[in-house]
Amino acid sequence: AQTVTQSQPEMSVQEAETVTLSCTYDTSESDYYLFWYKQPPSRQMILVIRQEAYKQQNATENRFSVNFQKAAKSFSLKISDSQLGDAAMYFCALTFIREYGNKLVFGAGTILRVKS
Amino acid sequence: SQTIHQWPATLVQPVGSPLSLECTVEGTSNPNLYWYRQAAGRGLQLLFYSVGIGQISSEVPQNLSASRPQDRQFILSSKKLLLSDSGFYLCAWSSGLSYNEQFFGPGTRLTVL
Repeated sequence: AQTVTQSQPEMSVQEAETVTLSCTYDTSESDYYLFWYKQPPSRQMILVIRQEAYKQQNATENRFSVNFQKAAKSFSLKISDSQLGDAAMYFCALTFIREYGNKLVFGAGTILRVKS
Repeated sequence: SQTIHQWPATLVQPVGSPLSLECTVEGTSNPNLYWYRQAAGRGLQLLFYSVGIGQISSEVPQNLSASRPQDRQFILSSKKLLLSDSGFYLCAWSSGLSYNEQFFGPGTRLTVL
């Protein structure tokens, strides 16, 4: 079975600093996508960033970037210049290119607190 | 652009009462649709998904059921609510064409008393 593990239940970061959230996964598939979702206090799930497993280049979206290590099955999220609006629960998720129904496997989430 | 709606936003229901939560998607056709439940401060549990009208797959056996009467409408129902049905319910859609990413609605907070 495919699993996604987020080993950090909570993280804190000072405003303007950089923080890295960890995610590891387990799968025997070779073709998949990885995502980071953000869930702020409003509880609306927002897609932050996406990584295709066949791409070696790490994805970047403004202040958000990933460190994708396929051999190690690791997919961490780096948030640079942290802002108060980054405070949220962050979920790592995995899906497979040929998955029926395009289901996502989610990690348990990491709560990120941003201190001013 | 595509949008996804859920209603109601908040619901308080007595134990044993029926439930109907609705989700609709605009701006796309033949989407994959999903229902998730989330307990407070916890992760997402996939309840049901659908790849087409009338096609429902259940992930977790429970007191709930789902239906898809129209292409862009997904309904979550129960005949008799239990206390354990309380939670935050999220509907999501994906195009099924690329990347498999899912887009979520604003959610419904259900409290069963």
